[in-house]
Amino acid sequence: DQQVKQNSPSLSVQEGRISILNCDYTNSMFDYFLWYKKYPAEGPTFLISISSIKDKNEDGRFTVFLNKSAKHLSLHIVPSQPGDSAVYFCAVTNFGNEKLTFGTGTRLTIIP
Amino acid sequence: DAGITQSPRYKITETGRQVTLMCHQTWSHSYMFWYRQDLGHGLRLIYYSAAADITDKGEVPDGYVVSRSKTENFPLTLESATRSQTSVYFCASSVVRLWDMGETQYFGPGTRLLVL
Repeated sequence: DQQVKQNSPSLSVQEGRISILNCDYTNSMFDYFLWYKKYPAEGPTFLISISSIKDKNEDGRFTVFLNKSAKHLSLHIVPSQPGDSAVYFCAVTNFGNEKLTFGTGTRLTIIP
Repeated sequence: DAGITQSPRYKITETGRQVTLMCHQTWSHSYMFWYRQDLGHGLRLIYYSAAADITDKGEVPDGYVVSRSKTENFPLTLESATRSQTSVYFCASSVVRLWDMGETQYFGPGTRLLVL
């Protein structure tokens, strides 16, 4: 029973345009949300996070939006660059809990 | 160099053999984790450890054994490998915080395991 779902296994976006990656979770008790990025033959690396007391967090070209009522998380990348081509995982947890539950991942391809 | 390392990076073994994947971190992080990555499943937690000599099961622990005698090492053993354990295995570590925004787990580069 998947608690965290990323319904798009892959996404292709033109360089310079906006990339939007989506993530849905089932348990409303989760209160801390993260995005990780993974290149081939490397481990995932942290990208950005947000707590449930916020609905938006920005870091440069990356913005994460949280819609608690819909139990939906999204990552916006603007503008998209070729180096953004990777697999993106969303992850959820609770404050004080070191365990993360990951989604299935979305492979983003930026087309030059 | 500081960081988290895994060995071997690639391993081919046969069904029924015992295999041990190694994980070493130099940060003295208290928490360590083992995940497997499979297509369609993302990253699934196998086992984790809150400190030396403290381990607990994750989502998919069957067929795996862990130990943690030292803070910096967290080996994962497949006692009798099966084809369904063919996967990419990632080790991660994190530090206990009261809480702050930011990075949680740091991942190693992964071990690609093929069970024939």
